[in-house]
Amino acid sequence: DAGITQSPRHKVTETGTPVTLRCHQTENHRYMYWYRQDPGHGLRLIHYSYGVKDTDKGEVSDGYSVSRSKTEDFLLTLESATSSQTSVYFCAISEGSYEQYFGPGTRLTVT
Amino acid sequence: ILNVEQSPQSLHVQEGDSTNFTCSFPSSNFYALHWYRWETAKSPEALFVMTLNGDEKKKGRISATLNTKEGYSYLYIKGSQPEDSATYLCALSNSGYALNFGKGTSLLVTP
Repeated sequence: DAGITQSPRHKVTETGTPVTLRCHQTENHRYMYWYRQDPGHGLRLIHYSYGVKDTDKGEVSDGYSVSRSKTEDFLLTLESATSSQTSVYFCAISEGSYEQYFGPGTRLTVT
Repeated sequence: ILNVEQSPQSLHVQEGDSTNFTCSFPSSNFYALHWYRWETAKSPEALFVMTLNGDEKKKGRISATLNTKEGYSYLYIKGSQPEDSATYLCALSNSGYALNFGKGTSLLVTP
């Protein structure tokens, strides 16, 4: 299995609080991605990174920001969590256009 | 946002049956088509990445074909087994890395 970890694995938070999810890889892959998975929507891209300090928006980026200060870490921040951000969040990594390897997921509940 | 459609939404077959699913996508600006297998409570796992019109790929009893001119890909499973039960996702890339996923086909194989 590709060396990808996500933390925390589960989190419950209140509306309006900031939340940061962490993705850590040991594969030295250049590209990293954050997706959310919701019933009826499948996997949707939030943000992605194509190098240290290089990031871009995906399909559902509103309300989220990201940072990548090191090759191995990609952080996803919800500045002020809302109930609509209750979801399962997956991190993925890849080398260019090759297959993506997914982390175990983080289940976030915003009450 | 690239519209990726998968059909059927779900499928229930008996052990030993062969089955196939369809992934449809806009044929303009095509770069790559990915197939993933996603078992319940696990992370998506890459099956195939295809880039050329007419591509055919095979992994064990699972194979896939690609038609970029008409915008579709087929995934075939020969002699389905209960362990093939999973959701099968296809995803389109038009840039080389960021993926747009379909909603998946959920396969249940019963003994």
